Amino acid sequence: EDQVTQSPEALRLQEGESSSLNCSYTVSGLRGLFWYRQDPGKGPEFLFTLYSAGEEKEKERLKATLTKKESFLHITAPKPEDSATYLCGFQKLVFGTGTRLLVSP
Amino acid sequence: SQTIHQWPATLVQPVGSPLSLECTVEGTSNPNLYWYRQAAGRGLQLLFYSVGIGQISSEVPQNLSASRPQDRQFILSSKKLLLSDSGFYLCAWSVTGYYNEQFFGPGTRLTVL
Repeated sequence: EDQVTQSPEALRLQEGESSSLNCSYTVSGLRGLFWYRQDPGKGPEFLFTLYSAGEEKEKERLKATLTKKESFLHITAPKPEDSATYLCGFQKLVFGTGTRLLVSP
Repeated sequence: SQTIHQWPATLVQPVGSPLSLECTVEGTSNPNLYWYRQAAGRGLQLLFYSVGIGQISSEVPQNLSASRPQDRQFILSSKKLLLSDSGFYLCAWSVTGYYNEQFFGPGTRLTVL
């Protein structure tokens, strides 16, 4: 069964404290792994698509990487405005439950 | 650029009442369209998707239905709402093809009392 698991469920960081969010997946034939950011009460905002192991993509303080079994969203020197829930998913889509990130000033 | 609209933004309905949520997309043609539900503290659940006018695929059996009367219009309906239908409903679009990234609308918060 296609499945995605995100960890941790919640993460609290101090401003400037870098960390990583994990997305582990099980799928037969990955056609693309997606990362989204979701602010409370709003629809998810698309961040990245990764297609093959070894691929990396960056946007401001965020960098997404992909292996054959998991993806990481690295957050470098986060700011309070990076606080949100980060979702990963694949195919049509199967989504994880997300990681709630809170960055304190 | 493409824009996706959903309305209403918030809705409070009694149990047993009908439902109609609407989604429209601008700036693209022949998109794939999707309806998701997000329960509080839970992930996104794909409810329906459509690859063209009148073509609807249901992912989860339920008392909801979807219709696509026009290329860029997607409607989610129910004849009689249940308490369990409460949640955050999201419409999304993607370019043609099953494996492309999706772009989400602002969502509708539905509370069934």
